[in-house]
Amino acid sequence: DAKTTQPTSMDCAEGRAANLPCNHSTISGNEYVYWYRQIHSQGPQYIIHGLKNNETNEMASLIITEDRKSSTLILPHATLRDTAVYYCIVRVPNTGGFKTIFGAGTRLFVKA
Amino acid sequence: NAGVTQTPKFQVLKTGQSMTLQCAQDMNHEYMSWYRQDPGMGLRLIHYSVGAGITDQGEVPNGYNVSRSTTEDFPLRLLSAAPSQTSVYFCASSYGRAHYGYTFGSGTRLTVV
Repeated sequence: DAKTTQPTSMDCAEGRAANLPCNHSTISGNEYVYWYRQIHSQGPQYIIHGLKNNETNEMASLIITEDRKSSTLILPHATLRDTAVYYCIVRVPNTGGFKTIFGAGTRLFVKA
Repeated sequence: NAGVTQTPKFQVLKTGQSMTLQCAQDMNHEYMSWYRQDPGMGLRLIHYSVGAGITDQGEVPNGYNVSRSTTEDFPLRLLSAAPSQTSVYFCASSYGRAHYGYTFGSGTRLTVV
C-alpha cells in the first residue's frame, strides 16, 4: 500500500498562500491523491483530489509532480478559519473496492 | 438531504457493556466506513463496506462488528467495551467510483470507564 509523508506542522500568515507538501513515493499508477482537512473536533472535510494533472476548485489547488511521487496542496489566500489538520491520502485499491487510510496529517496554523 | 448522520453524539459506557453506534446516509452512497480518532492522532480505519451485504476489516477491527443490511445504514457494534475504546468515532460515505471523496459525519464521542 502506498504511504504518505507530511510535515507535522506548518505556519502561514493570514492572506498569504499556504503550501502543504506531501510525499507518496510508492504510489502506483491507478491511485489517486486526495486531500482532506479537519477543523478542531469536527469530521474531516474533503478538499480536492487528482490523478496526474493539476487540479483547482473553489477551496484549493493541487499540484502533482510529473513522476507523481509528491504533491502540494495550495490554499491561495489563507484565512484564520483555514487553521486545521490537513491529510494527504493515497486511495488504496483493494479486492472488491477501495479503502482510505489516513495518516497523522499536517497541522496548519494560520496567524494574523 | 441530511448527509451522514451519526447517533449518539456522546456516550459513556462501563467496561464490559455493549452498544451500537448508528450511522445513516441519504445520498445513496455505496461505500461506507468507520474510523476512530484518539486524542492528538489521525484517523484509523476500523471497518468498511463497499455495498449492502459486503463488509471488510480495516486497520483496527478487533472488538468491533459491523453489518450492512441496507445501503443507507452502517452500524458499528462494540461487543464488550474496554477503556482502550475510548475515542471519537467517525462514519464516512462516498459513491463507489474511485475518484469521489468521502463525506464524514460529525462524530460520536465515546468514553469507556
